Amino acid sequence: ETGVTQTPRHLVMGMTNKKSLKCEQHLGHNAMYWYKQSAKKPLELMFVYNFKEQTENNSVPSRFSPECPNSSHLFLHLHTLQPEDSALYLCASSQAGLAATGELFFGEGSRLTVL
Amino acid sequence: GQNIDQPTEMTATEGAIVQINCTYQTSGFNGLFWYQQHAGEAPTFLSYNVLDGLEEKGRFSSFLSRSKGYSYLLLKELQMKDSASYLCAVRDRGTDKLIFGTGTRLQVFP
Repeated sequence: ETGVTQTPRHLVMGMTNKKSLKCEQHLGHNAMYWYKQSAKKPLELMFVYNFKEQTENNSVPSRFSPECPNSSHLFLHLHTLQPEDSALYLCASSQAGLAATGELFFGEGSRLTVL
Repeated sequence: GQNIDQPTEMTATEGAIVQINCTYQTSGFNGLFWYQQHAGEAPTFLSYNVLDGLEEKGRFSSFLSRSKGYSYLLLKELQMKDSASYLCAVRDRGTDKLIFGTGTRLQVFP
């Protein structure tokens, strides 16, 4: 396995459901990210973890709850979502630190539809 | 504040050259990235500029002018597989975050 893998690739859920998105990186990176990609909008940074510690929460509603048990795994727990939360959720990783360029390596995303 | 502008859509012909522009405003600049994203796929890294000038990598080149807050991605000898969205992203020095533009959707026609 190489790169950044995300599961599931597609998810349909009702507003009262609870589901989770999973991300795993095999690149030895120490920073992981969740981004939201909606049509005709820029990629929106949601959460950042450096060395398993959350360093950024970009004013994300509490119905999105991230979890980073180790530097290779990242989860996004979803509950009581709204239809406007339907989007592509992208996970990314990078090598954090002053010497690094900060290049992001993305997974293929989880396409979420909230009914 | 931070703002990144790039055209929403562009079209070009196979074999031609196309230039995708990106202008940015940021409180602290620490590098500019270009990513390519095919429909339904992950964005993939194309180029990184932190100093002024042109970086060439095969058919793709990227240019940066920090004083003008301007970059472009140049694609030569266009191929059908180059049809994709091209994302410009600026790394903010203060927050160390990548701020993305909305992306430019390029369609290459035969």
